[in-house]
Amino acid sequence: DGGITQSPKYLFRKEGQNVTLSCEQNLNHDAMYWYRQDPGQGLRLIYYSQIVNDFQKGDIAEGYSVSREKKESFPLTVTSAQKNPTAFYLCASSMIVAGPSGANVLTFGAGSRLTVL
Amino acid sequence: AQSVTQPDIHITVSEGASLELRCNYSYGATPYLFWYVQSPGQGLQLLLKYFSGDTLVQGIKGFEAEFKRSQSSFNLRKPSVHWSDAAEYFCAVGVYNTDKLIFGTGTRLQVFP
Repeated sequence: DGGITQSPKYLFRKEGQNVTLSCEQNLNHDAMYWYRQDPGQGLRLIYYSQIVNDFQKGDIAEGYSVSREKKESFPLTVTSAQKNPTAFYLCASSMIVAGPSGANVLTFGAGSRLTVL
Repeated sequence: AQSVTQPDIHITVSEGASLELRCNYSYGATPYLFWYVQSPGQGLQLLLKYFSGDTLVQGIKGFEAEFKRSQSSFNLRKPSVHWSDAAEYFCAVGVYNTDKLIFGTGTRLQVFP
């Protein structure tokens, strides 16, 4: 079945360490997204990518980095510069309907929970 | 700037009762609107969407939502709630001329037997 796979589901990190969260999709979707979820704050966009080798910052990109070397993959690195990295991270993907329109239906992965010790 | 407001952080209903979750948006043109549901520790699943046309849209799991332009609202409703509907619900609006969505802060639904 097609879908989005995020790994690991749970990750613990010591302060000062970089960690990378994996996101793979087999839906042949063009666009991929990373969201951060904190209690009471909903979902906030970290980065998104509409095409291979290109990506844009979202609302809270500081302390994060991404790459899009393959259409299927969009890994997120949480760097030591991210001051409060403990959160639930969600990856999503979508077809691009007809150019940028805001009408894209997102399919989400099951999420990765990062805890900084 | 576009925004989405979900005024209710937490709602509790009895099983079998009706449900309405509120969503208000701020947008300059006809919006693309979505409702997603999230079970604990899981990703989000699309319940329904409004792009144009009939302002009452039907979704999965017996949910419906009504777009009211005059009130800038897109409230989610269900006539009879089941215990399995307990989850967090997010309203979202598509950002014009981008591929982004803006999400509300969510409403947590608790269902009592």
